[in-house]
Amino acid sequence: DTAVSQTPKYLVTQMGNDKSIKCEQNLGHDTMYWYKQDSKKFLKIMFSYNNKELIINETVPNRFSPKSPDKAHLNLHINSLELGDSAVYFCASSHHDQMNTEAFFGQGTRLTVV
Amino acid sequence: QQQVKQSPQSLIVQKGGISIINCAYENTAFDYFPWYQQFPGKGPALLIAIRPDVSEKKEGRFTISFNKSAKQFSLHIMDSQPGDSATYFCAASPTGGGNKLTFGTGTQLKVEL
Repeated sequence: DTAVSQTPKYLVTQMGNDKSIKCEQNLGHDTMYWYKQDSKKFLKIMFSYNNKELIINETVPNRFSPKSPDKAHLNLHINSLELGDSAVYFCASSHHDQMNTEAFFGQGTRLTVV
Repeated sequence: QQQVKQSPQSLIVQKGGISIINCAYENTAFDYFPWYQQFPGKGPALLIAIRPDVSEKKEGRFTISFNKSAKQFSLHIMDSQPGDSATYFCAASPTGGGNKLTFGTGTQLKVEL
Protein backbone atom coordinates (compact mmCIF):
# COMPACT_ATOMS: atom_id res chain seq x y z
CA ASP A 1 0.00 0.00 0.00
CA THR A 2 1.48 3.31 -1.12
CA ALA A 3 1.39 5.84 1.71
CA VAL A 4 1.86 9.04 -0.33
CA SER A 5 1.25 8.71 -4.03
CA GLN A 6 1.83 11.29 -6.72
CA THR A 7 0.83 11.32 -10.34
CA PRO A 8 2.29 11.61 -12.83
CA LYS A 9 5.81 10.39 -12.08
CA TYR A 10 7.18 12.14 -15.16
CA LEU A 11 5.83 15.21 -16.91
CA VAL A 12 7.35 16.78 -20.00
CA THR A 13 5.66 19.89 -21.32
CA GLN A 14 6.29 23.01 -23.32
CA MET A 15 6.81 26.49 -21.96
CA GLY A 16 3.60 28.39 -21.45
CA ASN A 17 1.47 25.33 -20.79
CA ASP A 18 -0.60 24.72 -17.66
CA LYS A 19 -0.19 21.44 -15.81
CA SER A 20 -1.30 19.75 -12.60
CA ILE A 21 0.29 17.22 -10.28
CA LYS A 22 -1.93 15.17 -8.01
CA CYS A 23 -1.13 13.83 -4.55
CA GLU A 24 -2.99 11.53 -2.24
CA GLN A 25 -2.08 10.11 1.16
CA ASN A 26 -3.71 7.19 2.96
CA LEU A 27 -1.94 7.66 6.29
CA GLY A 28 -4.72 9.60 7.96
CA HIS A 29 -2.48 12.64 8.29
CA ASP A 30 -3.98 16.10 8.60
CA THR A 31 -1.15 18.05 7.00
CA MET A 32 0.24 17.90 3.49
CA TYR A 33 3.11 19.68 1.77
CA TRP A 34 4.70 20.38 -1.55
CA TYR A 35 8.50 20.51 -1.77
CA LYS A 36 10.62 21.37 -4.79
CA GLN A 37 13.96 19.66 -5.44
CA ASP A 38 16.14 21.46 -7.94
CA SER A 39 18.85 20.10 -10.20
CA LYS A 40 21.39 20.35 -7.36
CA LYS A 41 19.06 18.23 -5.19
CA PHE A 42 18.25 21.13 -2.89
CA LEU A 43 14.88 20.56 -1.21
CA LYS A 44 12.72 23.55 -0.36
CA ILE A 45 9.20 23.74 0.99
CA MET A 46 6.63 25.47 -1.18
CA PHE A 47 3.29 25.03 0.56
CA SER A 48 1.67 23.34 3.52
CA TYR A 49 -2.00 22.63 4.12
CA ASN A 50 -3.55 21.55 7.41
CA ASN A 51 -7.09 20.20 7.22
CA LYS A 52 -7.52 21.88 3.81
CA GLU A 53 -6.32 25.24 5.15
CA LEU A 54 -3.15 26.87 3.81
CA ILE A 55 -0.67 27.29 6.68
CA ILE A 56 2.66 27.73 4.90
CA ASN A 57 3.18 29.63 1.68
CA GLU A 58 6.81 30.28 0.91
CA THR A 59 7.89 32.81 -1.67
CA VAL A 60 6.51 30.95 -4.63
CA PRO A 61 5.31 32.60 -7.87
CA ASN A 62 1.55 32.89 -7.96
CA ARG A 63 1.62 30.74 -11.09
CA PHE A 64 1.72 27.89 -8.57
CA SER A 65 -1.62 27.22 -6.95
CA PRO A 66 -2.16 24.35 -4.53
CA LYS A 67 -5.64 22.96 -4.05
CA SER A 68 -6.77 20.68 -1.25
CA PRO A 69 -10.24 19.22 -1.84
CA ASP A 70 -9.96 17.21 1.38
CA LYS A 71 -7.25 16.44 3.90
CA ALA A 72 -6.13 13.34 2.01
CA HIS A 73 -5.43 15.20 -1.23
CA LEU A 74 -3.22 18.13 -2.17
CA ASN A 75 -2.87 18.94 -5.84
CA LEU A 76 -0.48 21.43 -7.41
CA HIS A 77 -1.49 23.42 -10.45
CA ILE A 78 1.11 25.39 -12.37
CA ASN A 79 0.18 28.03 -14.92
CA SER A 80 2.32 29.40 -17.73
CA LEU A 81 5.18 26.99 -17.17
CA GLU A 82 8.72 28.34 -17.46
CA LEU A 83 12.04 26.61 -18.08
CA GLY A 84 13.05 27.34 -14.49
CA ASP A 85 10.12 25.30 -13.18
CA SER A 86 11.92 22.13 -14.27
CA ALA A 87 12.54 20.19 -11.06
CA VAL A 88 11.32 17.23 -9.04
CA TYR A 89 8.25 18.05 -7.00
CA PHE A 90 7.58 16.04 -3.86
CA CYS A 91 4.35 15.77 -1.98
CA ALA A 92 4.59 14.88 1.71
CA SER A 93 2.28 14.43 4.66
CA SER A 94 2.49 14.35 8.44
CA HIS A 95 0.52 14.91 11.60
CA HIS A 96 0.38 18.55 12.55
CA ASP A 97 1.24 18.92 16.18
CA GLN A 98 3.43 21.03 18.38
CA MET A 99 6.20 18.47 18.66
CA ASN A 100 6.95 17.83 14.97
CA THR A 101 6.63 14.34 13.60
CA GLU A 102 7.90 12.36 10.67
CA ALA A 103 7.01 13.64 7.23
CA PHE A 104 6.35 10.93 4.65
CA PHE A 105 7.30 11.77 1.09
CA GLY A 106 5.91 10.57 -2.19
CA GLN A 107 8.05 9.27 -5.04
CA GLY A 108 8.24 12.64 -6.72
CA THR A 109 7.15 14.07 -10.05
CA ARG A 110 9.94 15.00 -12.42
CA LEU A 111 8.76 18.02 -14.37
CA THR A 112 10.70 18.97 -17.48
CA VAL A 113 9.74 22.16 -19.28
CA VAL A 114 11.08 22.41 -22.84
CA GLN B 1 20.49 32.58 3.25
CA GLN B 2 21.13 28.92 3.96
CA GLN B 3 19.71 28.27 7.41
CA VAL B 4 21.02 24.71 7.60
CA LYS B 5 24.54 24.16 6.30
CA GLN B 6 25.63 20.62 5.46
CA SER B 7 29.02 19.14 4.67
CA PRO B 8 30.62 17.43 2.90
CA GLN B 9 28.83 17.64 -0.43
CA SER B 10 30.03 14.15 -1.32
CA LEU B 11 31.70 11.35 0.57
CA ILE B 12 33.35 8.08 -0.41
CA VAL B 13 33.83 5.49 2.30
CA GLN B 14 35.14 1.96 2.20
CA LYS B 15 32.82 -0.84 3.23
CA GLY B 16 32.93 -1.27 6.97
CA GLY B 17 34.13 2.29 7.55
CA ILE B 18 32.44 5.14 9.37
CA SER B 19 30.57 7.80 7.40
CA ILE B 20 30.25 11.18 9.07
CA ILE B 21 28.08 14.02 7.81
CA ASN B 22 27.90 17.36 9.58
CA CYS B 23 25.26 20.05 9.79
CA ALA B 24 25.07 23.46 11.41
CA TYR B 25 22.03 25.64 11.91
CA GLU B 26 21.41 29.28 12.71
CA ASN B 27 17.80 29.51 13.82
CA THR B 28 17.61 28.95 17.58
CA ALA B 29 13.88 28.25 17.24
CA PHE B 30 14.71 24.93 15.58
CA ASP B 31 14.04 22.06 17.95
CA TYR B 32 13.56 19.00 15.77
CA PHE B 33 16.44 17.66 13.72
CA PRO B 34 15.73 14.73 11.39
CA TRP B 35 17.99 13.04 8.89
CA TYR B 36 16.49 11.86 5.62
CA GLN B 37 17.89 9.29 3.21
CA GLN B 38 17.12 9.50 -0.49
CA PHE B 39 17.81 6.87 -3.13
CA PRO B 40 17.81 7.78 -6.84
CA GLY B 41 14.29 8.13 -8.19
CA LYS B 42 12.73 7.94 -4.73
CA GLY B 43 11.43 10.41 -2.21
CA PRO B 44 13.34 11.21 0.98
CA ALA B 45 12.65 8.82 3.86
CA LEU B 46 13.21 9.51 7.53
CA LEU B 47 16.29 7.75 8.87
CA ILE B 48 16.61 9.06 12.41
CA ALA B 49 15.68 12.23 14.29
CA ILE B 50 16.69 14.00 17.49
CA ARG B 51 15.35 16.73 19.74
CA PRO B 52 17.72 19.10 21.59
CA ASP B 53 17.01 17.65 25.03
CA VAL B 54 19.47 14.82 24.31
CA SER B 55 23.01 14.94 22.97
CA GLU B 56 23.00 11.61 21.18
CA LYS B 57 20.57 9.15 19.67
CA LYS B 58 21.44 5.78 18.27
CA GLU B 59 19.37 3.48 16.10
CA GLY B 60 21.23 0.45 14.85
CA ARG B 61 24.25 1.58 12.84
CA PHE B 62 23.03 5.19 12.72
CA THR B 63 23.84 7.75 15.42
CA ILE B 64 23.02 11.44 15.67
CA SER B 65 25.31 13.59 17.81
CA PHE B 66 23.86 16.95 18.81
CA ASN B 67 25.68 19.98 20.22
CA LYS B 68 23.14 22.61 21.19
CA SER B 69 25.62 25.29 22.25
CA ALA B 70 27.51 25.01 18.96
CA LYS B 71 24.26 24.63 16.98
CA GLN B 72 25.68 21.61 15.23
CA PHE B 73 24.58 18.05 14.69
CA SER B 74 26.04 15.15 12.82
CA LEU B 75 25.14 11.74 11.46
CA HIS B 76 27.48 8.81 11.97
CA ILE B 77 26.97 5.63 9.98
CA MET B 78 28.94 2.79 11.51
CA ASP B 79 30.04 -0.25 9.50
CA SER B 80 28.98 1.48 6.27
CA GLN B 81 27.58 -0.84 3.61
CA PRO B 82 27.19 -0.46 -0.17
CA GLY B 83 23.43 -0.39 0.40
CA ASP B 84 23.91 2.82 2.38
CA SER B 85 24.98 4.59 -0.82
CA ALA B 86 22.42 7.38 -1.15
CA THR B 87 21.98 11.10 -0.63
CA TYR B 88 21.57 12.17 2.97
CA PHE B 89 19.84 15.34 4.06
CA CYS B 90 19.84 16.90 7.46
CA ALA B 91 16.85 19.07 8.27
CA ALA B 92 15.43 21.19 11.04
CA SER B 93 12.08 22.57 12.04
CA PRO B 94 10.71 24.68 14.85
CA THR B 95 7.98 23.63 17.25
CA GLY B 96 4.69 25.06 16.12
CA GLY B 97 6.12 25.81 12.71
CA GLY B 98 3.67 23.55 10.97
CA ASN B 99 6.37 20.89 10.70
CA LYS B 100 8.09 23.05 8.12
CA LEU B 101 11.37 21.31 7.33
CA THR B 102 14.39 23.38 6.33
CA PHE B 103 16.80 21.03 4.59
CA GLY B 104 20.57 21.04 4.28
CA THR B 105 22.10 20.86 0.83
CA GLY B 106 22.59 17.08 0.90
CA THR B 107 25.56 14.71 0.99
CA GLN B 108 26.01 12.10 -1.69
CA LEU B 109 27.48 9.04 0.02
CA LYS B 110 29.13 6.23 -1.88
CA VAL B 111 30.26 3.14 -0.03
CA GLU B 112 32.82 1.15 -1.98
CA LEU B 113 33.59 -2.54 -1.63
